[in-house]
Amino acid sequence: EAGVAQSPRYKIIEKRQSVAFWCNPISGHATLYWYQQILGQGPKLLIQFQNNGVVDDSQLPKDRFSAERLKGVDSTLKIQPAKLEDSAVYLCASSLATRWRGYTFGSGTRLTVV
Amino acid sequence: AQSVTQPDIHITVSEGASLELRCNYSYGATPYLFWYVQSPGQGLQLLLKYFSGDTLVQGIKGFEAEFKRSQSSFNLRKPSVHWSDAAEYFCAVGPNQAGTALIFGKGTTLSVSS
Repeated sequence: EAGVAQSPRYKIIEKRQSVAFWCNPISGHATLYWYQQILGQGPKLLIQFQNNGVVDDSQLPKDRFSAERLKGVDSTLKIQPAKLEDSAVYLCASSLATRWRGYTFGSGTRLTVV
Repeated sequence: AQSVTQPDIHITVSEGASLELRCNYSYGATPYLFWYVQSPGQGLQLLLKYFSGDTLVQGIKGFEAEFKRSQSSFNLRKPSVHWSDAAEYFCAVGPNQAGTALIFGKGTTLSVSS
């Protein structure tokens, strides 16, 4: 099966600019997660979707971050405006909703804010 | 509060030597436990998982982990380390419910010396 696809792989922007990341999960995986991984730390959940509904966005900085999964398949995470502390790897993962076998992660998008 | 602690930030072992990476968790219910590995510039790859049953679980690449409920630990082991094992290793915990978010530790960086 195809893995979780993410794009772009790398992005460099200036602070206060906006940026968007895209994720296409494994076919049939109803649950999709966006994690933020700051250098030297473990991944931290930003938002979790089940189909096109939000399950958990309690750690999403909603003043600048937004995410959507309109058709219950691929998803977009946006940052506007970006801050220096947003420099991180943004990981997308997907899993089945009805049978727990863990996640499959994408390769991530490395964001550098200068 | 739910949390995962990986006490060792960085470990160096000689090629061919044995390896043990420590993981302790704090979780209110019966947890599902995972180990992931991340090579530079890559996403996270699942090494192994524990859901129930035999407390010694086998994973890919010759890794194994042992769940010890009394110690709230899930340590990762490998009898003989190869240079290609150099990477960052993350322990994660989640509830025994499909489609739920995992909590990750901060990771242990493994270096392998020749």
